[in-house]
Amino acid sequence: DVKVTQSSRYLVKRTGEKVFLECVQDMDHENMFWYRQDPGLGLRLIYFSYDVKMKEKGDIPEGYSVSREKKERFSLILESASTNQTSMYLCASSPPGAGEAFFGQGTRLTVV
Amino acid sequence: SQQGEEDPQALSIQEGENATMNCSYKTSINNLQWYRQNSGRGLVHLILIRSNEREKHSGRLRVTLDTSKKSSSLLITASRAADTASYFCATATNQAGTALIFGKGTTLSVSS
Repeated sequence: DVKVTQSSRYLVKRTGEKVFLECVQDMDHENMFWYRQDPGLGLRLIYFSYDVKMKEKGDIPEGYSVSREKKERFSLILESASTNQTSMYLCASSPPGAGEAFFGQGTRLTVV
Repeated sequence: SQQGEEDPQALSIQEGENATMNCSYKTSINNLQWYRQNSGRGLVHLILIRSNEREKHSGRLRVTLDTSKKSSSLLITASRAADTASYFCATATNQAGTALIFGKGTTLSVSS
């Protein structure tokens, strides 16, 4: 069974902290994505990567960075967490081209 | 933003009725996909329709695509309480190295 695993389901962090959200996929997919989901706004793309060490900005990259040192792992970094980054974060992966994406279970991050 | 729009935002029906959700998008696409999300979980892929296809079926799901109007619809026939979820459309462009862009979703509630 294909799998995308996010390191935490729930996370509470303090304002100003550096936060790491980890995502691992076991399908040898080239593409990996980070989205955030907020009520009434749907899923918005933060960053994506189509190869190791490659990254592309999505619609809302401000306040975030990413790292992809290995094909199976894509990390989202909040350099200095702020309360407006409280959200559900969803990681996904997909094969090359424009095919089906597989999602992790999501990380609900609360910044206090 | 290239984000698409689903319509309606929310839909409430009785078991056994059909549910229709619509999606409009802004750019030329390679394909359009529909996903389902149960409360607080990750998204699950339902169906993919390519830009040269007009209609596709999968079980109780029927998807249509009108590229001239930049719109798609998802029909769920004979709805069940277990179909209660949020449904999202996502578009993939022809450009290499681009991500899926999601709409804001339709929340479907099926009561027994």
